[in-house]
Amino acid sequence: NAGVTQTPKFRVLKTGQSMTLLCAQDMNHEYMYWYRQDPGMGLRLIHYSVGEGTTAKGEVPDGYNVSRLKKQNFLLGLESAAPSQTSVYFCASSQGQEGQPQHFGDGTRLSIL
Amino acid sequence: GQNIDQPTEMTATEGAIVQINCTYQTSGFNGLFWYQQHAGEAPTFLSYNVLDGLEEKGRFSSFLSRSKGYSYLLLKELQMKDSASYLCAVMDSNYQLIWGAGTKLIIKP
Repeated sequence: NAGVTQTPKFRVLKTGQSMTLLCAQDMNHEYMYWYRQDPGMGLRLIHYSVGEGTTAKGEVPDGYNVSRLKKQNFLLGLESAAPSQTSVYFCASSQGQEGQPQHFGDGTRLSIL
Repeated sequence: GQNIDQPTEMTATEGAIVQINCTYQTSGFNGLFWYQQHAGEAPTFLSYNVLDGLEEKGRFSSFLSRSKGYSYLLLKELQMKDSASYLCAVMDSNYQLIWGAGTKLIIKP
């Protein structure tokens, strides 16, 4: 039971570098989400998608871009990494919105030096 | 603004009962979720409440009062493996989840 798989699990970047985080789900879920989790704060939504080919901004979208070319994949890109983007990034998916729990991947621990 | 409040940390004894409170102020309400998150791991779904009252699932129960903007998670017969953070999240009028910072529960033998 793979569920939601995130790659990579860990990454260290230098300021200004770019990278893409990959999220894949095998549950045929329509909705996918990218969150960041920082100490002492709740999960904050970066971007989300309500279906293949769609994306929308969440609470903290600046500095990030996303794409959902295939239903099972949701990519999060950092074009020019900044130290403020050091965080743990979680991808999640759900079958719907109302009453539907979100299922999370194991997270990507990203450090920007 | 939208706000979810939970205690930062709680300590309880193995075998005992603990109640973790959550109060919320959000733009609309479409349900409240509780998740468990062990250190270094992903959040996992525990419970969902959308109507007032108590939902029971084995050793875990969750209560909701919409008029008071209040929920609690009740954990019975505590086990060492219950040491984790417990996250309260409310779905607002836009069907976005607003998350609390989590309550770290420490279980002592």
